Amino acid sequence: KQEVTQIPAALSVPEGENLVLNCSFTDSAIYNLQWFRQDPGKGLTSLLLIQSSQREQTSGRLNASLDKSSGRSTLYIAASQPGDSATYLCAVVQSGGSYIPTFGRGTSLIVHP
Amino acid sequence: DTAVSQTPKYLVTQMGNDKSIKCEQNLGHDTMYWYKQDSKKFLKIMFSYNNKELIINETVPNRFSPKSPDKAHLNLHINSLELGDSAVYFCASSQDGRVGGYTFGSGTRLTVV
Repeated sequence: KQEVTQIPAALSVPEGENLVLNCSFTDSAIYNLQWFRQDPGKGLTSLLLIQSSQREQTSGRLNASLDKSSGRSTLYIAASQPGDSATYLCAVVQSGGSYIPTFGRGTSLIVHP
Repeated sequence: DTAVSQTPKYLVTQMGNDKSIKCEQNLGHDTMYWYKQDSKKFLKIMFSYNNKELIINETVPNRFSPKSPDKAHLNLHINSLELGDSAVYFCASSQDGRVGGYTFGSGTRLTVV
């Protein structure tokens, strides 16, 4: 059974810092990995989707990498801003199964001015 | 236009009642899902439903039943509500979860009193 772990569980940083959020998964046989953002009381917004054949994806100040063999993904946020404050969730779709994503418990990020 | 919409956004009801949550997607996706997010913010899959197959998670009580009148709608009906059913319920859809990723609704916060 796939298990997804996100470290750290919570992070509080001053504005302007570069951040690294980690996601690890136990079964490396995956189709893709997706990073989401969840604002308090809101739904999930997709940030980046990495297919198993890809090493990384970039969107603006966000960069996500995937090392399938070691079961790890990293979300890098450059020059953090208070508007980046949210919970960041990692979800993995395992191959050979029902293609339903398994979520980590998220990293709660606060960027203070 | 909202891609995945859920109604109602908030639902407060008494124990023992029966309630439904509606979900509609206008993305033309073939597969829809219901997720439950508990008080610790952990997202767990409840159901996945596409044109051909309903996949039921074994941990979901049979008081919960999805109903799909067509591929753009997946409603969640809950019988005999219990206090432990209080959570945020998210609807999601995908065209092909192996490739295209997932789109989530904004959630329905259910409170059972």
